[in-house]
Amino acid sequence: SAVISQKPSRDICQRGTSLTIQCQVDSQVTMMFWYRQQPGQSLTLIATANQGSEATYESGFVIDKFPISRPNLTFSTLTVSNMSPEDSSIYLCSVSGRERNNYGYTFGSGTRLTVV
Amino acid sequence: DAKTTQPPSMDCAEGRAANLPCNHSTISGNEYVYWYRQIHSQGPQYIIHGLKNNETNEMASLIITEDRKSSTLILPHATLRDTAVYYCTTGGTSYGKLTFGQGTILTVHP
Repeated sequence: SAVISQKPSRDICQRGTSLTIQCQVDSQVTMMFWYRQQPGQSLTLIATANQGSEATYESGFVIDKFPISRPNLTFSTLTVSNMSPEDSSIYLCSVSGRERNNYGYTFGSGTRLTVV
Repeated sequence: DAKTTQPPSMDCAEGRAANLPCNHSTISGNEYVYWYRQIHSQGPQYIIHGLKNNETNEMASLIITEDRKSSTLILPHATLRDTAVYYCTTGGTSYGKLTFGQGTILTVHP
């Protein structure tokens, strides 16, 4: 399966600031997925990022709050903008193994964000 | 994506089989059933997936009912390190997204 490096692993940020999370994959993938996991909750998909096009956002998530870049087939960033304490969550990126004839999805280790 | 329903929590004795159920009654014909687990806020770990036949790998077995409306993940000999949140989800064979339900907190006790 793919190997994903996600950073930072954790951060504590002041409200009103922005944080950019990076996700690097060891192989080229068509689609990358960004999830949010609020404390004690399940994973919620934020958006799907394709290389060369704008990300597709799920209901309740907007580009102004969570801008995403996908400059190439191995890298993506998610920015959490104008943060508030409600944004304190774990953010995870994920890729599908479909392109390697493996149907499992691989997740990064996550970024634990605390907004104070 | 089909919605999945799982019991919120289950207990299992170490060394015994853990059988985790999942209902996915709205699954469509081309959707796979996936199982993942998450150990204490790490990224979810892929366990197994299946379409209609039962599947087994080094981690677990997956039993899918004939009507595909439910499935059971079996950990044949649970260990303390299997304590985690287990997620059942469904997804297509393309590059599509996964939608996660609330999962089952499995606690394996000595």
